[in-house]
Amino acid sequence: NAGVTQTPKFQVLKTGQSMTLQCAQDMNHEYMSWYRQDPGMGLRLIHYSVGAGITDQGEVPNGYNVSRSTTEDFPLRLLSAAPSQTSVYFCASNDGNSPLHFGNGTRLTVT
Amino acid sequence: GQQLNQSPQSMFIQEGEDVSMNCTSSSIFNTWLWYKQDPGEGPVLLIALYKAGELTSNGRLTAQFGITRKDSFLNISASIPSDVGIYFCAGPDYGGSQGNLIFGKGTKLSVKP
Repeated sequence: NAGVTQTPKFQVLKTGQSMTLQCAQDMNHEYMSWYRQDPGMGLRLIHYSVGAGITDQGEVPNGYNVSRSTTEDFPLRLLSAAPSQTSVYFCASNDGNSPLHFGNGTRLTVT
Repeated sequence: GQQLNQSPQSMFIQEGEDVSMNCTSSSIFNTWLWYKQDPGEGPVLLIALYKAGELTSNGRLTAQFGITRKDSFLNISASIPSDVGIYFCAGPDYGGSQGNLIFGKGTKLSVKP
């Protein structure tokens, strides 16, 4: 099993560009989520999904969109990147009874 | 809202020393989780605590769920260089889905050989 797979590992964007961070899990988990990690701030929840077709906002959702068309995939979209979105992004999943499994992160820099 | 206060922010210790870190909250948690993040990777669960007063070990790691349900601590005995990383406490966000977690800001551990 690959677990939670995130792509790309690194990305540099210019302000105003758009991009999609990909996340896929092969554990048939219903719950998936996106966190961002900033120095000294811990991990903060951006968006989450409790199943295909269902998404909701977390603590810091502004500037990000998500969709969940399949159980396996949960992409995070930045429509117009801003320097404040420079961060490390982690995708996670679980089945409700198990701890969160995290991917290895996408390191995003917005110049 | 719920917040987790984790201390210390960072620790520099000698190999072989014991380490202690803790996490406190102004609100009650029914679950406490401790994660470790190695450089360049995602957090990995070390220990999960589900009952007030519970003391659980995982090798050289021991964690306790405080009796008031507002705190937890993690101890590492006889530290080794591979213990280097960031340690996070976490608990469920009761205002959201059961999968949502609130994280402390982390304790960064450095170990000198």
